[in-house]
Amino acid sequence: GDSVTQMEGPVTLSEEAFLTINCTYTATGYPSLFWYVQYPGEGLQLLLKATKADDKGSNKGFEATYRKETTSFHLEKGSVQVSDSAVYFCALSYSSASKIIFGSGTRLSIRP
Amino acid sequence: KAGVTQTPRYLIKTRGQQVTLSCSPISGHRSVSWYQQTPGQGLQFLFEYFSETQRNKGNFPGRFSGRQFSNSRSEMNVSTLELGDSALYLCASSLAGRDEQFFGPGTRLTVL
Repeated sequence: GDSVTQMEGPVTLSEEAFLTINCTYTATGYPSLFWYVQYPGEGLQLLLKATKADDKGSNKGFEATYRKETTSFHLEKGSVQVSDSAVYFCALSYSSASKIIFGSGTRLSIRP
Repeated sequence: KAGVTQTPRYLIKTRGQQVTLSCSPISGHRSVSWYQQTPGQGLQFLFEYFSETQRNKGNFPGRFSGRQFSNSRSEMNVSTLELGDSALYLCASSLAGRDEQFFGPGTRLTVL
């Protein structure tokens, strides 16, 4: 079946550091891929998405590229801020299914 | 446009009781999905409703049920509560045929 695996956290970085959170997936078809972010005490917010191979999703300085050959969708940001501290979820979904399969989440903490 | 709203935000129940959670989707969204979030199991899909019909269901016992009304608002019900049902329950809505879902803030259920 389909699944998403992301790097275990927590990840702790200093402000302005470079961020990478690894995500790989297993899929039987051709899903869309997502990164969601969850701030303390809140629901999930869509951070970025990519719908097909080689697409790059980007938002708020975050980027991820849909790599079919390596079945990966790694999240990157060039310079993190304290306000980026949150839990990040990699996920996949098919438009026909309306069911999102999530990774286990990676907690990110940024030190001032 | 108002986002997805969920009521109540917090609930405390005792074992054996039942509970009903409510979700109002974004205006125009006819698909509503429910997810359970726990520290141990992460984010798991419960079910999805579209036009008052359950279209997709996750791997949860029959104690978990839901429904959708003609105005697309949805409720989920959990009967005979168990301690393990303590979780954050998230509702998400989407446009028909679209894979992007928008999440509400969640209902935090505590079972004592």
